[in-house]
Amino acid sequence: SQKIEQNSEALNIQEGKTATLTCNYTNYSPAYLQWYRQDPGRGPVFLLLIRENEKEKRKERLKVTFDTTLKQSLFHITASQPADSATYLCAPTLSGSARQLTFGSGTQLTVLP
Amino acid sequence: GAGVSQTPSNKVTEKGKYVELRCDPISGHTALYWYRQSLGQGPEFLIYFQGTGAADDSGLPNDRFFAVRPEGSVSTLKIQRTERGDSAVYLCASSPGTGALEQYFGPGTRLTVL
Repeated sequence: SQKIEQNSEALNIQEGKTATLTCNYTNYSPAYLQWYRQDPGRGPVFLLLIRENEKEKRKERLKVTFDTTLKQSLFHITASQPADSATYLCAPTLSGSARQLTFGSGTQLTVLP
Repeated sequence: GAGVSQTPSNKVTEKGKYVELRCDPISGHTALYWYRQSLGQGPEFLIYFQGTGAADDSGLPNDRFFAVRPEGSVSTLKIQRTERGDSAVYLCASSPGTGALEQYFGPGTRLTVL
């Protein structure tokens, strides 16, 4: 069955450093992968989408890579700020439009001032 | 414009009771999704509507769960004979429809079954 694994533990980093979050998947080949941010008591918020034929995507301080050979996506936040503290969820998704999302369990990131 | 809204924000009920959870999607979004999220886990898919019809209900855990979207806008998730294991946050999301991949989530309804 499909399996998605994110950083198993919470991640604490110092303000200004780069945070790197990992999303590994097994037993399927997603056509694209989405990253969402979730704050306590709120629903997830879409951040970035990367397709299988794209190696890297950037948006402001965010960068996502997608390695279909390793079956892995890395999510980087550069120049991290305490406001970046949240849980980050990855959702590798099969092809097809308007698809249900299958999420990993998330990585809780804390950026320390 | 307004985002996805869900009511109530919190619902406490007793085991065996019936509950209804409501979702108001973003205006014009034809696709609507229900997810369930337990503490420390990512959201888990329940059902997906395209317009008024349930295009995929494979995530509903059993026949106590049912959802409707009669006019292609507002949706209601209905849970009969609630059990303590149904306690979770129920999230609703919408997207513009076919071709649109990202989803816009509401704040969720926290359901507690005593």
